[in-house]
Amino acid sequence: DSGVTQTPKHLITATGQRVTLRCSPRSGDLSVYWYQQSLDQGLQFLIQYYNGEERAKGNILERFSAQQFPDLHSELNLSSLELGDSALYFCASSVGAYYGYTFGSGTRLTVV
Amino acid sequence: DQQVKQNSPSLSVQEGRISILNCDYTNSMFDYFLWYKKYPAEGPTFLISISSIKDKNEDGRFTVFLNKSAKHLSLHIVPSQPGDSAVYFCAASAGVNFGNEKLTFGTGTRLTIIP
Repeated sequence: DSGVTQTPKHLITATGQRVTLRCSPRSGDLSVYWYQQSLDQGLQFLIQYYNGEERAKGNILERFSAQQFPDLHSELNLSSLELGDSALYFCASSVGAYYGYTFGSGTRLTVV
Repeated sequence: DQQVKQNSPSLSVQEGRISILNCDYTNSMFDYFLWYKKYPAEGPTFLISISSIKDKNEDGRFTVFLNKSAKHLSLHIVPSQPGDSAVYFCAASAGVNFGNEKLTFGTGTRLTIIP
């Protein structure tokens, strides 16, 4: 157990639908990062939150949004889902880059 | 634009021999580099890192080398063990500031250790 909890582990949904992925960071970590890993692709940075505030944005689609709540858990909302959104979505938290990120085990999203 | 590149999608190495995984980067602002290891159905786990002020960092069987002029880093695993079979990701950061540690990842290299 890495200390970063992601739910659900698997999600199957239809095109056009909306889903919410949840992440609880490791205790004491203020930063939460969301990454997407599509088939045979590396980890693509989506967005970072630090203590409730958006800190950095990557290649995140307008259909996607995220937030970090006062208890530091984060949610990634994906709407108007397309087949191409099928991927592994990872959440990571950190106390500082010199210690690296701690990743959750991911949510596998399948859009059918 | 892939700023961090791992040009070998896969690598097979005999058990006990040295595994060398390579990574190239294009962004000269990157000043901190990390390697992650990923098993199936798990999230990546941090393995080893190196700051741009160094050219080598060692941790047990794992050594990372950085060649800034060539914008190249490599991970050496000696000796390779069956448990090292995994996907290895190279990652880089441009400006490590507290509260802003965005990492750019490569596409990964699948390492298979042959018993």
